[in-house]
Amino acid sequence: EIVLTQSPGTLSLAPGERATLSCRSSQTINNNCLAWYQQRPGQSPRLLIYGVSNRATGIPDRFSGSGSGTDFTLTISRLEPEDFAFYYCQQCGTSPHTFGPGTMVDFK
Amino acid sequence: QPQLQESGSGLVRPSQTLSLTCAVSGVSISSGGYSWSWIRQAPGKGLEWIGYFYESGYTYYTPSLRSRLTISADKSKNLLSLKLTSATAADTAIYYCARVPRRDFALDVWGQGTLVTVSS
Repeated sequence: EIVLTQSPGTLSLAPGERATLSCRSSQTINNNCLAWYQQRPGQSPRLLIYGVSNRATGIPDRFSGSGSGTDFTLTISRLEPEDFAFYYCQQCGTSPHTFGPGTMVDFK
Repeated sequence: QPQLQESGSGLVRPSQTLSLTCAVSGVSISSGGYSWSWIRQAPGKGLEWIGYFYESGYTYYTPSLRSRLTISADKSKNLLSLKLTSATAADTAIYYCARVPRRDFALDVWGQGTLVTVSS
């Protein structure tokens, strides 16, 4: 089973600042099958990025994904108030399709 | 726009079977191009991927639940189902179903989730 590690656990920033979230895999992820999800309190997760760097439908371009192999990054270029939430990475290249433990982006 | 709606037993006694359904609308689960996943989230915890179902009937279950889990579908009703036997308090969670495009295997449409509590 592939284990994903996310860092930092909590990221404290102010609106307008840049957020950089890391996701590291215990093994190379096949087919660049790496996705990012946002979860706001009390809501279902929402797909942000699939295939490492492709924005899902309706996702603003301030969200971007990058990386390869075992190291991946989600960047939010300028935080909006609605971006303060939990973020999870997930690998879908090898079953089971495991999630990382999450990063919380909260207000500084 | 596809929609998924989970429902099921909100309170389950320990050792009993946890049963959930996911009503899919706006897309047929038989249409091809998609598989369908279940994910759960224990209170205050992160996401745990449980397994998936292909329209062909193929299923994959996460190893830690494999001996207790069944995921199936009623294609005539466009319903997915999940059954987890021998429930324990550790199975207390919000359970989500989600659509998985075969082109990229990300979870692109989620239900709102349903809370299941395992308690006597």
